[in-house]
Amino acid sequence: ETGVTQTPRHLVMGMTNKKSLKCEQHLGHNAMYWYKQSAKKPLELMFVYSLEERVENNSVPSRFSPECPNSSHLFLHLHTLQPEDSALYLCASSQVFRDYQETQYFGPGTRLLVL
Amino acid sequence: KNEVEQSPQNLTAQEGEFITINCSYSVGISALHWLQQHPGGGIVSLFMLSSGKKKHGRLIATINIQEKHSSLHITASHPRDSAVYICAVRSTGGGADGLTFGKGTHLIIQP
Repeated sequence: ETGVTQTPRHLVMGMTNKKSLKCEQHLGHNAMYWYKQSAKKPLELMFVYSLEERVENNSVPSRFSPECPNSSHLFLHLHTLQPEDSALYLCASSQVFRDYQETQYFGPGTRLLVL
Repeated sequence: KNEVEQSPQNLTAQEGEFITINCSYSVGISALHWLQQHPGGGIVSLFMLSSGKKKHGRLIATINIQEKHSSLHITASHPRDSAVYICAVRSTGGGADGLTFGKGTHLIIQP
């Protein structure tokens, strides 16, 4: 399998549930990203991992917890979400160097509905 | 005010028309991306550019760093070009850095 994959593609959860989103990249990249796309709002950066270390946490509520066990896998753990967290969650990966970053490749996204 | 502004927000055109989508940004950048998002959510990177002009098939992207402005052109537009086109910028040169996005331009090409 090639590119960036995300599972599940669709998720419905209650506010008391705990769930996890999974992203896997098969491109040999060393950086991975979580983005959120809410209705009628621009895409927003949530987290960045480079070489499995979190390098950016864009003021995201603690009910979202990322995990990057290795350079190919990225998780977003969800707990006690709110209905306003319903959105499309996109994962991306890229190859980064000290003074250059190649283009980011996006996964198909997980469409999340919080009831 | 968003750091990345796109215009128009919505555009409907007839098949074969020449399409231009504009992007203006207010911060210093190292690179600008044009992305295409189809219904269902999947995003494809069309161009990444930091100066000048790039061409791929019927798509052309230009950037003017001094004016902080970029354009995406589609020649001989086709209904399959219907999608949301998103402009995004990256502020730093090296290392891992997320993108800042515009709100997107919803393009519909009618047969």
